[in-house]
Amino acid sequence: GENVEQHPSTLSVQEGDSAVIKCTYSDSASNYFPWYKQELGKGPQLIIDIRSNVGEKKDQRIAVTLNKTAKHFSLHITETQPEDSAVYFCAASKGFQKLVFGTGTRLLVSP
Amino acid sequence: NAGVTQTPKFRVLKTGQSMTLLCAQDMNHEYMYWYRQDPGMGLRLIHYSVGEGTTAKGEVPDGYNVSRLKKQNFLLGLESAAPSQTSVYFCATRGGSRANTEAFFGQGTRLTVV
Repeated sequence: GENVEQHPSTLSVQEGDSAVIKCTYSDSASNYFPWYKQELGKGPQLIIDIRSNVGEKKDQRIAVTLNKTAKHFSLHITETQPEDSAVYFCAASKGFQKLVFGTGTRLLVSP
Repeated sequence: NAGVTQTPKFRVLKTGQSMTLLCAQDMNHEYMYWYRQDPGMGLRLIHYSVGEGTTAKGEVPDGYNVSRLKKQNFLLGLESAAPSQTSVYFCATRGGSRANTEAFFGQGTRLTVV
């Protein structure tokens, strides 16, 4: 089955810096790669996703890149703000099959 | 429009007791999932359902049972709770006419087994 690895487990940056979180997946048939943000005491919420027919997607300060050959994808956050502090999860799936999550990255943005 | 609602939000059980967690959705989604979240281990799939009357095992199904008698509800049962089942449980749903869509999560149920 699918296995998703996520690094780093914690990431501390200064406000205004960029943050990068990386994930690798094992099943070459996976074709959907979402990123979720989880704030304290809440359920995860989708912030951006990418499908396997696209190499990069941007939404304001957030971007995701996908390298199908290497089976890895990354989340890029530019101009970080304190409100970006949260736990971020990557995931992978095929169609409506189960989403398999990475182990999470705790991002801390210091003012 | 509440989205995905989990009941209860908090619960403390004694070892050996049983309980049922309820997930209710008003999004008309076919697919529903139960995950548990433990520190350093991310979200692990317990059981899932691809439609009313169907259920399937995920990564960590032992000690849990599920039922999907109605499309809008997905129940997770613990028959005989153990301290290892202390965790935060999340329900999620997916649906729509297009595959590879967003999963919507409930607010979570924090369960402590003593």
